Amino acid sequence: GAGVSQSPSNKVTEKGKDVELRCDPISGHTALYWYRQSLGQGLEFLIYFQGNSAPDKSGLPSDRFSAERTGGSVSTLTIQRTQQEDSAVYLCASSPTGGGKYEQYFGPGTRLTVT
Amino acid sequence: AQTVTQSQPEMSVQEAETVTLSCTYDTSESDYYLFWYKQPPSRQMILVIRQEAYKQQNATENRFSVNFQKAAKSFSLKISDSQLGDAAMYFCAQTSSNDYKLSFGAGTTVTVRA
Repeated sequence: GAGVSQSPSNKVTEKGKDVELRCDPISGHTALYWYRQSLGQGLEFLIYFQGNSAPDKSGLPSDRFSAERTGGSVSTLTIQRTQQEDSAVYLCASSPTGGGKYEQYFGPGTRLTVT
Repeated sequence: AQTVTQSQPEMSVQEAETVTLSCTYDTSESDYYLFWYKQPPSRQMILVIRQEAYKQQNATENRFSVNFQKAAKSFSLKISDSQLGDAAMYFCAQTSSNDYKLSFGAGTTVTVRA
């Protein structure tokens, strides 16, 4: 079956612009995660969805970052007024449900470059 | 809090030889899970192997095996008969049964020499 897909694959934007990153999880997976991979910070957790609810937004670095999930499927990560430090690869993952025993399946990521 | 440490930024191995990647972790949880993920240049994170903390037997997946030392909080990955396709960045990760987010180490870049 289809894996996790993310779009766009690459995004270059100017400082101060807003960007939207999209994630399509594996069909039937109720849990969805966003991570950020940057040179300075490594891989860090951003937000977790169970269905359409986000019980843990603790990893979002600032109020410029927001995410939503609709229909228990597609998720969008929005970064407002982008800054150069937002440049990173944004990875999305999904699992059958939340909980450590379930494998997380990752998408190919979106590379964001803020100029 | 869970922390994962990978102390080897880079490792090089001759094709068909064996390489071992180190990982140590720290957690206060008693029920937790450990993983090794592979990330090739395509960026796609691929699960290589997983270990449940309550299992004493070391996990194996074909040419990949782990040495899980629970008391020492060590979780190393051994790649046997290395192949060119094994070249990638490898991440050690941890989560607990009542958690959901993965905590990752800094990664180890593996280069395979032909």
